[in-house]
Amino acid sequence: NAGVTQTPKFRVLKTGQSMTLLCAQDMNHEYMYWYRQDPGMGLRLIHYSVGEGTTAKGEVPDGYNVSRLKKQNFLLGLESAAPSQTSVYFCASSYGAGEAKNIQYFGAGTRLSVL
Amino acid sequence: AQKITQTQPGMFVQEKEAVTLDCTYDTSDPSYGLFWYKQPSSGEMIFLIYQGSYDQQNATEGRYSLNFQKARKSANLVISASQLGDSAMYFCAMREGQGYSSASKIIFGSGTRLSIRP
Repeated sequence: NAGVTQTPKFRVLKTGQSMTLLCAQDMNHEYMYWYRQDPGMGLRLIHYSVGEGTTAKGEVPDGYNVSRLKKQNFLLGLESAAPSQTSVYFCASSYGAGEAKNIQYFGAGTRLSVL
Repeated sequence: AQKITQTQPGMFVQEKEAVTLDCTYDTSDPSYGLFWYKQPSSGEMIFLIYQGSYDQQNATEGRYSLNFQKARKSANLVISASQLGDSAMYFCAMREGQGYSSASKIIFGSGTRLSIRP
């Protein structure tokens, strides 16, 4: 029962470096999401996708890019990391968006530090 | 304005007691969904329970129940017979609307840290 898998689990970057976070789900979900979680706050939506080949901006998209080339994968990219992007990143997926289909299942998170 | 409010940043409860975690929400959309997630110290987000705005009965999942009071816009989580393993952060979340556009309208509260005393 893999569910939603995020890699890597931890990463330390220097300011200006780039990296890609990978999210893979094996539940055949249409919708996928990237969130960030900062201390004392709930999750904030960065980008999301409602199907293969589609992406859209969430609440805090600046400094991030995403791609959904395959239904099961959703990539989050940081082109030029900044200390403000130090956070815990969560990927989630859901079957759809109507009623109970919108239940999101989360990965274990990626802890990113930007020095 | 906050759309999801969790007024209890932290709570301590004796083991085996019932506990209620408060959540109030604000929306003008007649169609919405309410969720509760648990985040233990290990960090993962675990789905607990869901309530749709049109559901006539309060949702229940094992020891978890959602006290849904639509007129008061509250969706409190009730944990019966608390256990040490219930110690965690608990997040209330809301999804507004239905369909594709609702995917971007998912908002999380700031969470309540629940600690169970033996």
